[in-house]
Amino acid sequence: DVKVTQSSRYLVKRTGEKVFLECVQDMDHENMFWYRQDPGLGLRLIYFSYDVKMKEKGDIPEGYSVSREKKERFSLILESASTNQTSMYLCASSPPHGRGGKRGNIQYFGAGTRLSVL
Amino acid sequence: AQSVTQPDIHITVSEGASLELRCNYSYGATPYLFWYVQSPGQGLQLLLKYFSGDTLVQGIKGFEAEFKRSQSSFNLRKPSVHWSDAAEYFCAVGSAFNNAGNMLTFGGGTRLMVKP
Repeated sequence: DVKVTQSSRYLVKRTGEKVFLECVQDMDHENMFWYRQDPGLGLRLIYFSYDVKMKEKGDIPEGYSVSREKKERFSLILESASTNQTSMYLCASSPPHGRGGKRGNIQYFGAGTRLSVL
Repeated sequence: AQSVTQPDIHITVSEGASLELRCNYSYGATPYLFWYVQSPGQGLQLLLKYFSGDTLVQGIKGFEAEFKRSQSSFNLRKPSVHWSDAAEYFCAVGSAFNNAGNMLTFGGGTRLMVKP
């Protein structure tokens, strides 16, 4: 089974702090994603990465950055946390096209990190 | 750009009753469509997917969904709901990027409550 592990289930941080959210997958997937989830808005893509050291902005990248130094690990960074970044953050991974046919389209999710910024 | 609409924010059904959750999408090409379920405090679990072929797809936990191109819909159904089905359900459409994989665009979700 694919396992996507997010390092923290709950985090409480103060405004202005630098925050790191970590995600590790054990299936050698090329693609990794960070979403934030807010009531009524579903999941919105913050950043994604399709290879080590490669990253692409999603729909809502402002206030966030990412790091992918190793294939299995994708970190989301809040440079200076603000209260409007209080949310649930979900990490996902997927294989690329060509491996397992269209399975590259399936994303596998971690359990989420609920971040509160006070 | 693609988009997904789930018109029902909350739905309450009685245990044993049938269920249909609506999903409408906007996408220029043939879509890849997904339904995910999120139990309280958990991540998302894939229920089922449509890539091509038979428009009625079967998933886990007794769920099915039907792709209707003419209506741009991908509604989720279950003939008899169990209390354990109470959760939030997300419909998503996939779009290709740079030959590496697909990004997903999610609907806003439908929260299902089940009455005993």
